Amino acid sequence: AQTVTQSQPEMSVQEAETVTLSCTYDTSESDYYLFWYKQPPSRQMILVIRQEAYKQQNATENRFSVNFQKAAKSFSLKISDSQLGDAAMYFCAYRSLNSGNTPLVFGKGTRLSVIA
Amino acid sequence: SQTIHQWPATLVQPVGSPLSLECTVEGTSNPNLYWYRQAAGRGLQLLFYSVGIGQISSEVPQNLSASRPQDRQFILSSKKLLLSDSGFYLCAWSVWRDQPQHFGDGTRLSIL
Repeated sequence: AQTVTQSQPEMSVQEAETVTLSCTYDTSESDYYLFWYKQPPSRQMILVIRQEAYKQQNATENRFSVNFQKAAKSFSLKISDSQLGDAAMYFCAYRSLNSGNTPLVFGKGTRLSVIA
Repeated sequence: SQTIHQWPATLVQPVGSPLSLECTVEGTSNPNLYWYRQAAGRGLQLLFYSVGIGQISSEVPQNLSASRPQDRQFILSSKKLLLSDSGFYLCAWSVWRDQPQHFGDGTRLSIL
């Protein structure tokens, strides 16, 4: 079974600075998707970014980008120019493509604080 | 466009009372549906998922059950709530296997 590990329970960053959240995963599959979700204090789950395993190019969405290292099974999220609204729990998630309807496998999350 | 509705947003129930949380999806057909529970400050625990009407997979043994009476309706139930059932419950849907899951706004359940 696949597992997702987020080794940083909490992180903090100064406003306007850059922060990187770590995520590693364990799988024997070659085809899969990876996601980062943001959960602000409202507790709504918001999709931030996704990465297809077959793509070598790292995904980017405005100030959010990933560093996808397939061989190392690493999928870190970089937030540039951090804003107060970025403060939230961030969850890394894995989805298999081999079994059609399997749910996402989530990490335990990293709580990000943004300091003004 | 697709939307997901989850209700109620907040619920306070006494121990031993029944529970029914409802989730509906609009704008898509034959979605995969999921129920998660999240304790305060913790990660997501998958409770149930469904790939079709009447098809329910349970991930953990517990005091809860799920049903899918219609294609886009997913219900989480309990006959007698326990204190340990308190938490934040999230419903989610997805369609294609290469797509992310989309979440409802959640239900905050407090058991007294």
